[in-house]
Amino acid sequence: AQRVTQPEKLLSVFKGAPVELKCNYSYSGSPELFWYVQYSRQRLQLLLRHISRESIKGFTADLNKGETSFHLKKPFAQEEDSAMYYCALITGGGNKLTFGTGTQLKVEL
Amino acid sequence: NAGVTQTPKFQVLKTGQSMTLQCAQDMNHEYMSWYRQDPGMGLRLIHYSVGAGITDQGEVPNGYNVSRSTTEDFPLRLLSAAPSQTSVYFCASSYHDRGYEQYFGPGTRLTVT
Repeated sequence: AQRVTQPEKLLSVFKGAPVELKCNYSYSGSPELFWYVQYSRQRLQLLLRHISRESIKGFTADLNKGETSFHLKKPFAQEEDSAMYYCALITGGGNKLTFGTGTQLKVEL
Repeated sequence: NAGVTQTPKFQVLKTGQSMTLQCAQDMNHEYMSWYRQDPGMGLRLIHYSVGAGITDQGEVPNGYNVSRSTTEDFPLRLLSAAPSQTSVYFCASSYHDRGYEQYFGPGTRLTVT
């Protein structure tokens, strides 16, 4: 069965420090992975998807099929990056999203 | 465009009561879904629909019913509320295509006493 694991519930970093939010997945097919973000008092929104290989707000994520990982990285954390981050995996033939349990990122001054 | 809208924003129910959470989207998206968000458990898929008249179960469907009579609306019905259904409920929609972005509603916070 498909599974998404985010091992850290909370990650605290100082402003300007590098950030890495971990995501590992388990899926027998060809994975399509996403990162969603939920800022305080806002709705969940897409941050980036692996197929587009884009960088959004300085964040990047590389799919590593060998390690079954899709870690989210940013070289220099900003205060406005504080939010809840969810890794998600599309499975099946449609748009069923399987989410990880989320990581709360707190950027301290 | 209003995007994805949900009503109500907050609701308190007593055990055994029934209610319907409303979800609507004005983007002509084929795909709509309902998730519940619980602390430490992330978002879990309850039901989804790939078009009007077509619905299917997600990961945690028990205790919930859905129907999709129009492209725009996808209501979620709680038949007999239980305290275990206390949660934040999110509706989402997208084009029915792999890799397309899901748009989320603002959520409904439900408490069952």
